[in-house]
This record gives sequence, C-alpha cells and structure tokens, in this order.
Amino acid sequence: NAGVTQTPKFRVLKTGQSMTLLCAQDMNHEYMYWYRQDPGMGLRLIHYSVGEGTTAKGEVPDGYNVSRLKKQNFLLGLESAAPSQTSVYFCASSYGAGQVYGYTFGSGTRLTVV
Amino acid sequence: KQEVTQIPAALSVPEGENLVLNCSFTDSAIYNLQWFRQDPGKGLTSLLLIQSSQREQTSGRLNASLDKSSGRSTLYIAASQPGDSATYLCAVSTDKLIFGTGTRLQVFP
Repeated sequence: NAGVTQTPKFRVLKTGQSMTLLCAQDMNHEYMYWYRQDPGMGLRLIHYSVGEGTTAKGEVPDGYNVSRLKKQNFLLGLESAAPSQTSVYFCASSYGAGQVYGYTFGSGTRLTVV
Repeated sequence: KQEVTQIPAALSVPEGENLVLNCSFTDSAIYNLQWFRQDPGKGLTSLLLIQSSQREQTSGRLNASLDKSSGRSTLYIAASQPGDSATYLCAVSTDKLIFGTGTRLQVFP
C-alpha cells in the first residue's frame, strides 16, 4: 500500500533543460495536486486535476505544464527550467474536494536549477 | 481570494507546556480545514481534519477547533514533548487546498 509516490526524489537541472516529475497514487483518488514549497512562503498550488483527462491552473502555474492521462498518475513538466523553479515539489491526492478523508501527500521532490 | 494566516510563525517552549497554534482564513465558504505536521526535509503528515459542519476534532494530545463564521481555527497541543518539534500547517479546502505559511515549533527538554 504505497499511497502517493513521487519520482525522482532529488534532481539537479541546468537552466533551460526540461524534465518531468511523476506522481502516482494507488488509492483510486479522483483529485490530484502539485504544490511547490519555498522558504517563508508555505505551499503554493501549481496545477490540479479533478479527474482523469482534466487539469486546471492553481496559484502559480507559469512555467509548468501537467497531464492526467491515467487516473493514477499526474505528471508535472518543466519545459525550460529556470533558477526560480528551484524548490521542493509535493504531489497530493484526495477522493474529492469536500470529502471526509482529507489529503494524502507524497514525500516530495527536491529540485535545484543551476 | 482565500488567504490563510498562521500565528505565531515560530514558537519555542519547554517540555510539558500546553500550546495553542492559531490559523485564520478570509473566506468562510470552505468544505473543511486540515492540520498537518511537517518534519524538516520530509513530506506532510495529516493530523486532524475538521469538516465545515464540525466544531472540533481530537486525536490523542491534539485538539483542533473550528469557528467557520469568524474564519478561525486553533490547534491545541497538550503536555508538549520534544518529539512534537516540527512545522505545523493548516489548510482550508474549497475546490482547492490553500495552505498557511506554518508555525515552526521547538519543544526543548
């Protein structure tokens, strides 16, 4: 029973490189989210999905793209990485926005862009 | 736009004290409010979830209250221990989960 799994856990990119972060959940959750966490700013929502095939923008979507081709996976892409995207990225999932079970988070991906 | 504020930003107390962490939010139209714990370099662990129709939830030494009309929640930690040292985050749920910036707690022996 893995819950929410994020890969990779750490990554160093050069400015301008691209990469994809993978989030996988095995709980049959409908909603999935990508957050970034920066010192002194808390967690900020990048993009989210309310079901397979859907995506929506959060607070800070610029420079990122997402896809939800399968219900269990939510991909976060950086097409041209910038130093401002150095952060810790967290994925989360939930049965639904108003449901009783709350949110389950992954352990995070620490990304450094040099 | 929903904004979530946590006070204090940091707290350092001796072991055994009872603590109150505060969370306020600007829009009372929420589904629920959740308190999380985050240890340094780690992910988030859910502590308590309060539905909008509820007033409080309890788990062991933790008690969280919710006053939706005034936009406030408190997390009460009884008889604090060094193992409680972590950052505590509150988050409100609408169609998204919006976080506060956290309270960094240190409990020293």
